[in-house]
Amino acid sequence: EADIYQTPRYLVIGTGKKITLECSQTMGHDKMYWYQQDPGMELHLIHYSYGVNSTEKGDLSSESTVSRIRTEHFPLTLESARPSHTSQYLCASSNGWNTEAFFGQGTRLTVV
Amino acid sequence: KNEVEQSPQNLTAQEGEFITINCSYSVGISALHWLQQHPGGGIVSLFMLSSGKKKHGRLIATINIQEKHSSLHITASHPRDSAVYICAVNFGNEKLTFGTGTRLTIIP
Repeated sequence: EADIYQTPRYLVIGTGKKITLECSQTMGHDKMYWYQQDPGMELHLIHYSYGVNSTEKGDLSSESTVSRIRTEHFPLTLESARPSHTSQYLCASSNGWNTEAFFGQGTRLTVV
Repeated sequence: KNEVEQSPQNLTAQEGEFITINCSYSVGISALHWLQQHPGGGIVSLFMLSSGKKKHGRLIATINIQEKHSSLHITASHPRDSAVYICAVNFGNEKLTFGTGTRLTIIP
């Protein structure tokens, strides 16, 4: 069973609000990732981190930001939510190159 | 461009049937992952392989490096196998590139 957790599972929020999606893992993994997935579509990498104080933007441009102050915690923040941010956001972690990836349950975000 | 293609996009079968889902990729890879996503949205890793074949219960994954192709097989399929199956690859780095998924529905 994967020890990676995302909260909240579902979030409906108004335009202009600031939101933070939480992701935590208890496996001590250095590598953590945020993916965005629209319904019926493939996952796209929006942020990744290879360790504490290391964050990089992914292949898909995103207005969100991330931080990695602790190994186990990789939160994603949207300063001002917009309807175009409506999507599912999945967090994942791995122990390194060519190792199994563990995924959280996802946060389904709706901005109204 | 590094690409991953899956087929079929949708598959409906009767309970008990043998299921095959295919994945092809454009250039050499360091590893290929098969993932399962249920309607709730969470993703579970089924297999990671870089050569040969792996088996877990009723699931079998194979990869042919020369042909740049992998298959996921499900024997004696069951309605609880209904999910989206996703192929993802490492193109020589730690980031994953994903296929669009195969939506499998098993009818009792």
